[in-house]
Amino acid sequence: GENVEQHPSTLSVQEGDSAVIKCTYSDSASNYFPWYKQELGKGPQLIIDIRSNVGEKKDQRIAVTLNKTAKHFSLHITETQPEDSAVYFCAASIKNYGGSQGNLIFGKGTKLSVKP
Amino acid sequence: ETGVTQTPRHLVMGMTNKKSLKCEQHLGHNAMYWYKQSAKKPLELMFVYSLEERVENNSVPSRFSPECPNSSHLFLHLHTLQPEDSALYLCASSQGTREETQYFGPGTRLTVL
Repeated sequence: GENVEQHPSTLSVQEGDSAVIKCTYSDSASNYFPWYKQELGKGPQLIIDIRSNVGEKKDQRIAVTLNKTAKHFSLHITETQPEDSAVYFCAASIKNYGGSQGNLIFGKGTKLSVKP
Repeated sequence: ETGVTQTPRHLVMGMTNKKSLKCEQHLGHNAMYWYKQSAKKPLELMFVYSLEERVENNSVPSRFSPECPNSSHLFLHLHTLQPEDSALYLCASSQGTREETQYFGPGTRLTVL
């Protein structure tokens, strides 16, 4: 079946450094790729997403790149701050009941720690 | 806040109990989802409702029974659960079911004794 692999599972960086999290997916029909941030005691919060018609998207310190040929996408966080510490999940769309790319399959998550 | 609320936030139940989880979305969305989040495992999709109709049941055991009385409310009825069902249960909603962004609630932390 379809799956999403996410690496690394844990990542520790110094404040101000950059952090990169990578995901690969198996379903070549996937065309929507959101990233979520989950803080302790909270549900996942969308931080950025990308669709298959673009290769890169940026929102302030966060950027996502997509390589459809290689079936991988990455999250880049620059100038990391302690409040960026959380678990980050990537996801890829897969077919739902109606045949549209409506359901999401998630990676296992990356625990990011930003040390002051 | 994402506009999706869940109650209770924590629940401890015995294997013979019956309990219900509640989710409410204030976003005017038409689709709602139940996910299970266990330690060291990816989020697992359990059920999808679109316009109050259950459209997917992802091979979930019958001891989990969803209910969607209207497009704003979603319930998960629990009975005779097993200890391995202990997890964080997340509700999400989206505008539709075609490549739509899903917004998650805070989850219910369930412990089955």
